[in-house]
Amino acid sequence: DAGITQSPRYKITETGRQVTLMCHQTWSHSYMFWYRQDLGHGLRLIYYSAAADITDKGEVPDGYVVSRSKTENFPLTLESATRSQTSVYFCASTEPYWTGRDSPLHFGNGTRLTVT
Amino acid sequence: TQLLEQSPQFLSIQEGENLTVYCNSSSVFSSLQWYRQEPGEGPVLLVTVVTGGEVKKLKRLTFQFGDARKDSSLHITAAQPGDTGLYLCAVSGSARQLTFGSGTQLTVLP
Repeated sequence: DAGITQSPRYKITETGRQVTLMCHQTWSHSYMFWYRQDLGHGLRLIYYSAAADITDKGEVPDGYVVSRSKTENFPLTLESATRSQTSVYFCASTEPYWTGRDSPLHFGNGTRLTVT
Repeated sequence: TQLLEQSPQFLSIQEGENLTVYCNSSSVFSSLQWYRQEPGEGPVLLVTVVTGGEVKKLKRLTFQFGDARKDSSLHITAAQPGDTGLYLCAVSGSARQLTFGSGTQLTVLP
């Protein structure tokens, strides 16, 4: 089925471990995004990508690394997890241009990450 | 200071009541989007408003963009338990990334 899928849905890891969150979309959207959602802060942008091999920092990039070797995949890696990175992580994608007034971001269902 | 301030942060009402939530900023925007997020899911787009003063209706939901394009409101008539969720406003940046408000958590009690 077409859509955007994130894996895993839930992850518990220890401080200092490396962990990778996966995101896969089937629409061939050029733009992809990673957000984290925390109580009181709403959704904050970590990294985004305009196309394969093009990535850029968002509002809160420290401690995260991304890559985009294929259009459909946009993994997010926490190189050395910290407790402050406990959060719900959302991946999203959208078209490369404004196709109309209602061009939306399409979100996955999130990964709930707990760092102990 | 957040780019988008949403109020109230929490709202709990009885089924059948009306409510309005707000999204305010000191900046001017070319467009503004409203999303709804249900537990365990990602946000889903409800509407995009583009023109100052624009009013859009989606069944019992009415969205308005301020005349100066700095603020927006969402009014729900005769709220139902299915309206429960987190309502987020968002504005687009130069590379299609969205900046979100912190949201209004709405609970409609049966």
